[in-house]
This record gives sequence, structure tokens and C-alpha cells, in this order.
Amino acid sequence: DAKTTQPTSMDCAEGRAANLPCNHSTISGNEYVYWYRQIHSQGPQYIIHGLKNNETNEMASLIITEDRKSSTLILPHATLRDTAVYYCIVTVTGTASKLTFGTGTRLQVTL
Amino acid sequence: NAGVMQNPRHLVRRRGQEARLRCSPMKGHSHVYWYRQLPEEGLKFMVYLQKENIIDESGMPKERFSAEFPKEGPSILRIQQVVRGDSAAYFCASSQTGGDTQYFGPGTRLTVL
Repeated sequence: DAKTTQPTSMDCAEGRAANLPCNHSTISGNEYVYWYRQIHSQGPQYIIHGLKNNETNEMASLIITEDRKSSTLILPHATLRDTAVYYCIVTVTGTASKLTFGTGTRLQVTL
Repeated sequence: NAGVMQNPRHLVRRRGQEARLRCSPMKGHSHVYWYRQLPEEGLKFMVYLQKENIIDESGMPKERFSAEFPKEGPSILRIQQVVRGDSAAYFCASSQTGGDTQYFGPGTRLTVL
């Protein structure tokens, strides 16, 4: 699986959009970008994933650059409950795939 | 529509005892993954199982740890003769097919005294 690079931490004001970047310059053509988050010490929560097109669901949007070497997770209106560690993971689907978690980005949403 | 269930949520064992952690996958999921998160560290893959089969155990410690996913019932992660270094949060995830999106349970926090 390709390696990912994320900033260690970010702050965001409540109600504003949180934009979390991820670099994955060695991504292969059949690898997807997945985002999970871990709130405090709870189990990781799946957020969204994509291959090359931008994706949106009820939680977030995922913007993937045309060359697929980086992506951005967007939380449109961050709340205090979105304070968590966010993990960007690149992996191949359709095969038996273990997820490789890096250190992630610690997002702090403030009043 | 219940998610992945794990029990117990908290488990305390003394050194040398055995720990058994259970994971019930989401309905319709037949693939189970176990991960471990040591204090102040990231999640590390341990083992991937399908019903009655171990598919990938590349992350499992060579000794004292074993996992199973029987035809009926939950998946079990078993740690024999626990040591203090086994204290961690153990998370289980499940997916509908191999390599599909994994959904995680709430974890079992193991404390070894």
C-alpha cells in the first residue's frame, strides 16, 4: 500500500469548514483513498473513500486531485463532536487488505 | 441494524492469566480483522479471518496469541499467559467481502496487572 503523509495537527473554529490534506504521491492506479477517524479512544469510524472522482456523503466530501497524488477531506460545518484523529489510508479493495494506520491528523474544533 | 460488537469492553487480568476477546461482525459480514492499539500509539493490524479460516496473520505475535472465527458464533482473540506489555485496546473490524470497507467495533480495553 502507498505511504501517506498528513499534518500532525490542525485547528478549526466551530461552524467553519475543516479541510484535512493528505499526500499519497506513490499511489497506484488500483488503490483507493480511505478516511477514518478516531474520537478519543473509541473504535475508528469510517468516513468516506474514493478512487479518482470526488465523493460526498452525509458526513464529508473527498476531493482527489487529478493526478491522484493528494486528497482533501472536507467537513463542511465542523462541530465540537468532530474533534478526533483523522486517518488517511491508501489501500487496494477487492482483495484481502489490512489497513495501515499512520499517525493521522489531530483535529481540534474550538468555540 | 447492529454494528460490530465486542465484549467485554473492559478486561482486567493478572500476569500469567488468559484473556479471551470476542467480536461479532455486522450482519451479513463474513470477514473479520483484529487490530491492536498500544497506549499512545497507532492501530496495528494483527490478523484477518474468514469463517473457519485464517487468511493473514502477519501481524500476530508468534507466541501466546491466537485467533479463530468458527462457523457459528463470534470471532475470538485469545492471549495466553498475558504480560503487562499486552495491555492495549483491541479493535475488531468486519467487512462484507475481503478488501471491502471495514467497520470497527468499540474495542476491548485489556489491562494486565
